[in-house]
Amino acid sequence: DQQVKQNSPSLSVQEGRISILNCDYTNSMFDYFLWYKKYPAEGPTFLISISSIKDKNEDGRFTVFLNKSAKHLSLHIVPSQPGDSAVYFCAASWSAGNMLTFGGGTRLMVKP
Amino acid sequence: DAGVIQSPRHEVTEMGQEVTLRCKPISGHNSLFWYRQTMMRGLELLIYFNNNVPIDDSGMPEDRFSAKMPNASFSTLKIQPSEPRDSAVYFCASSLTRTEKLFFGSGTQLSVL
Repeated sequence: DQQVKQNSPSLSVQEGRISILNCDYTNSMFDYFLWYKKYPAEGPTFLISISSIKDKNEDGRFTVFLNKSAKHLSLHIVPSQPGDSAVYFCAASWSAGNMLTFGGGTRLMVKP
Repeated sequence: DAGVIQSPRHEVTEMGQEVTLRCKPISGHNSLFWYRQTMMRGLELLIYFNNNVPIDDSGMPEDRFSAKMPNASFSTLKIQPSEPRDSAVYFCASSLTRTEKLFFGSGTQLSVL
């Protein structure tokens, strides 16, 4: 049973527009959430995180929103750039010291 | 810092052969993780070590898979015997603690024919 789900395997967006990547989780114990970005032939790299005490965290063009009641988080990229084209993984953990659980990933394609 | 180093980058082998994947974590990191990426299951955790000790290997698919961490700077993931369904990208990652953000290596693309 997947505890972290990314239901959209792919997303295509025009350069300059907003990209919204979604992630749902089932385990109410999760209290720390992260997004990773992965380019082909490279390992995933950390992008942005959010703790459950917040509902929003922003870093430049990237903003993560957390809706605890819906067990849903989203990553907004605005404006989107062709260099943002990659696979994005959502991950979650809980502060009891458990390791990250990853979603299946969403491939984002930003068209010039 | 060189980051997490994995070898080999690509491995092609025949069914039944033994495969050994290697990882050097970032110096000073206490936790090391082995992940497998497939189209069907995304990134799944196989095993993780804390201070060189295996803590959770519940993600290891079956007895054909084994992992060791003889010291703080080296880990191996071994598959014996290998099967075509083991074909995937295997990532090693390390972190300061097990809940800190992970630093991934570039992965090993394994193809079992």
